Amino acid sequence: DSGVTQTPKHLITATGQRVTLRCSPRSGDLSVYWYQQSLDQGLQFLIQYYNGEERAKGNILERFSAQQFPDLHSELNLSSLELGDSALYFCASSKERERGETQYFGPGTRLLVL
Amino acid sequence: AQSVTQLDSQVPVFEEAPVELRCNYSSSVSVYLFWYVQYPNQGLQLLLKYLSGSTLVKGINGFEAEFNKSQTSFHLRKPSVHISDTAEYFCAVIPMDSSYKLIFGSGTRLLVRP
Repeated sequence: DSGVTQTPKHLITATGQRVTLRCSPRSGDLSVYWYQQSLDQGLQFLIQYYNGEERAKGNILERFSAQQFPDLHSELNLSSLELGDSALYFCASSKERERGETQYFGPGTRLLVL
Repeated sequence: AQSVTQLDSQVPVFEEAPVELRCNYSSSVSVYLFWYVQYPNQGLQLLLKYLSGSTLVKGINGFEAEFNKSQTSFHLRKPSVHISDTAEYFCAVIPMDSSYKLIFGSGTRLLVRP
C-alpha cells in the first residue's frame, strides 16, 4: 500500500458525459501528479499540482481539468467524454523537496467510456 | 525533448533463470532514472532509482540496474527470477533541468514460466 488513495476504482459512463476522479496523497506530500495509461499512448503525464498551485502541464486535453484543494487532495475532471478517453488514470504524490524524489502511485481509476 | 525506449515488449523466461530488461534514453540534459513495476490490476511501485554516485543500483526484490552514461542505458537485471516477478516493468526518467514529471518507456512485460 503506497498511502495514495484514489476513488472510484472503476467508472463506466457514456460519451459526452462528465466525471470526476479523486486522489488523496500520502500524508505530508505536497505534490500531486496525474498520469493516464492507455493501450495506444502508454503512460503519459497529464498535470502536476504543488501545494494548491498548478506546477506543470503535459499532454492534457482542454476537456480535462484538475485542481488541488487546501487539504491537498486533488480532483481530475474529464468532460465531453469520448471513447478514446477510456484508460487507467493514476495519481501519484511526493514531498517534492528535490528532483528525483520518489513518486508514490495510487491504485488507479479505470475509466470505460461507452 | 526526452524519450525512453524499451525495445522488448515482452520477455519470457523460465523460473530461476537470470533476466535483463533493457532501457535506453535520449536526452539533451542529464536525467534521473527509475524503474517501476506494475503487478496486474495494481498501481506502479518503485523498484529502484539512480540519482548520482555508484552506477550500480540495488533495489527491492533482488533487482539491480546499472547506469551507463556513454550508452545512455539503464538496464534492469535479476540473477534468478520467481513466478511472482511476472509483471509489467517501466523505465522512466526525470530531466534534471525542468519539471518533476516522469517520462515513461512503453513497458516490458516479464513473463516467468515454471
